[in-house]
Amino acid sequence: AQKVTQAQTEISVVEKEDVTLDCVYETRDTTYYLFWYKQPPSGELVFLIRRNSFDEQNEISGRYSWNFQKSTSSFNFTITASQVVDSAVYFCALSDDSGNTPLVFGKGTRLSVIA
Amino acid sequence: GAGVSQTPSNKVTEKGKYVELRCDPISGHTALYWYRQSLGQGPEFLIYFQGTGAADDSGLPNDRFFAVRPEGSVSTLKIQRTERGDSAVYLCASSPSLNTGELFFGEGSRLTVL
Repeated sequence: AQKVTQAQTEISVVEKEDVTLDCVYETRDTTYYLFWYKQPPSGELVFLIRRNSFDEQNEISGRYSWNFQKSTSSFNFTITASQVVDSAVYFCALSDDSGNTPLVFGKGTRLSVIA
Repeated sequence: GAGVSQTPSNKVTEKGKYVELRCDPISGHTALYWYRQSLGQGPEFLIYFQGTGAADDSGLPNDRFFAVRPEGSVSTLKIQRTERGDSAVYLCASSPSLNTGELFFGEGSRLTVL
């Protein structure tokens, strides 16, 4: 069975601080995909990134970066120089690559960035 | 708009009543998903469609829940004999194909069962 654990329920940081959101996953599949989604107060989940299990290179997109470590089954998300607009709930998710299973989400981490 | 549209945005009903929630996906998206999100939790999978057929309905909690997508576009989630425990936000998402992972979500339908 697939499982995603986001141990941090809530995080509060002051604007311009860096923050890392942790994600640990469990799967028996050898090939799988990992995702991060953002849910702002409006409620609509927004896709941020998808990572194939074969690609362990870290990825950077502006102030966002992702660290995928297969050895520890982790896919952590770092926001550099956080801004108030980053305040949201962030979800990590997992799926296999068969095309036959939907995403399994973690419980989310609520990030509050204080001005 | 071009995004996933869900109606109603809010629904308050009494225990035992029947409820329908509608999802209008992005035009051309063949895959459609229903998730349920309770307060403080992540989205929980209910059912997904590839075209008109339900490809996987293993997440439906019981036989009071049913979903259809008769023409491969709009989908309706139907809940019979609602219970207080059904209160949640019901999220719909669509995708150009199965398992691209980049799901496009609607804003959800908040259901409150009194």
